[in-house]
Amino acid sequence: GAGVSQSPSNKVTEKGKDVELRCDPISGHTALYWYRQSLGQGLEFLIYFQGNSAPDKSGLPSDRFSAERTGGSVSTLTIQRTQQEDSAVYLCASSYPLYNEQFFGPGTRLTVL
Amino acid sequence: GDSVTQMEGPVTLSEEAFLTINCTYTATGYPSLFWYVQYPGEGLQLLLKATKADDKGSNKGFEATYRKETTSFHLEKGSVQVSDSAVYFCALSDQTGANNLFFGTGTRLTVIP
Repeated sequence: GAGVSQSPSNKVTEKGKDVELRCDPISGHTALYWYRQSLGQGLEFLIYFQGNSAPDKSGLPSDRFSAERTGGSVSTLTIQRTQQEDSAVYLCASSYPLYNEQFFGPGTRLTVL
Repeated sequence: GDSVTQMEGPVTLSEEAFLTINCTYTATGYPSLFWYVQYPGEGLQLLLKATKADDKGSNKGFEATYRKETTSFHLEKGSVQVSDSAVYFCALSDQTGANNLFFGTGTRLTVIP
């Protein structure tokens, strides 16, 4: 079956611009996660959605970062007024909560010039 | 807070050599433990997992045993192959709240023929 998909695969933007990153989780997976993989910080958790519950935003690094999940499926991560330190690979993962395993998408590589 | 400490790389081995990548963790409660692998140009994939003390996870010839007394989850393989060249991440989830993953910094393994 289809895995987690993310788009775009690569995004180059100028400092100060807004960007939107998209994640399509595996069908039927109610939990969705965003992580960031960067050279300085390794892999870090950003935000978590579970069904229709309020998201856990405890990992978001600043108020420039936000995310939505519409209809319990597709999610969009938005970064406003991008900074060079936002350059990283943004990974999305989904899981069926009872089984604990998170399945990861291929990531979006964001470069802020 | 929860954290994972992983052996730093890079690690270079000859084909058929024995592999150990050390991983220790700090967590409250009873976490689940994971090894993820990232092959060149690919996304993160779950390699193996263990959900309680003394469990052994295994896959593709790799093994790791959940050791509560030493808070460790070392990855081993008896005979590595060139195709095992990848970055390996140790991770835990604390089974509470968001159940997000806490990752180690990753260990790059290169296997030479």
